[in-house]
Amino acid sequence: DVVMTQSPLSLPVTLGQPASISCRSSQSLLHSDGNTYLNWLQQRPGQSPRRLIYKVSTRDSGVPDRFSGSGSGTDFTLKISRVEAEDFGVYYCMQGTHWPPTFGQGTTVEIK
Amino acid sequence: EVQLVESGGDLVQPGGSLRLSCAVSGYTFSCCEMNWVRRAPGKGLECVAYISPSGTTIYYADSVKGRFTISRDNAKNSLYLQMNSLRAEDTALYYCTRGGFRYMEFWGRGTLVTVSS
Repeated sequence: DVVMTQSPLSLPVTLGQPASISCRSSQSLLHSDGNTYLNWLQQRPGQSPRRLIYKVSTRDSGVPDRFSGSGSGTDFTLKISRVEAEDFGVYYCMQGTHWPPTFGQGTTVEIK
Repeated sequence: EVQLVESGGDLVQPGGSLRLSCAVSGYTFSCCEMNWVRRAPGKGLECVAYISPSGTTIYYADSVKGRFTISRDNAKNSLYLQMNSLRAEDTALYYCTRGGFRYMEFWGRGTLVTVSS
């Protein structure tokens, strides 16, 4: 199975400051169809996961533009340009290029 | 509004069986791929099963192959997971998700399965 490794696992941030989460995969996530199936999910306390970004950099409907995704191959990044109170929670990267899909361990974004 | 509502989770003894359901509303259920994803206590997320819109293509994680069966009833807008020969390590919160294993675009709230004597 493809191993997804996130860093850091805990990210204390100050409101209004930027935040960045790294995700690395043990194999390339470039599919033979030309797409890279790397998604980012957010899970707030007491809620189910919510997808924020799919195929590396495409934001889901309703996701603020302060969230951005980038990367290719095996290295990916989620950035929050200015953290707001509603952004605190756990963030996961997940790959859907190879079966079974696999998830990173999660990064907890918390108030500094 | 898309809604996925799981049910059927319970406390069951090792070796027992359980059937989970996921009731879907807010879109045409038959259009879309579906999955079951679980999170065991203290562990990460694991996709255990996938089913295509028509039900003709199915995948399982090795950890559940031969024990779990995913199915769907497009007329009833429902997804199912039949779980047999349950083990302690199957204890988890089980989510149904829409969008296929490449996308996982919508998630339900989950239903809790506890396997213990």
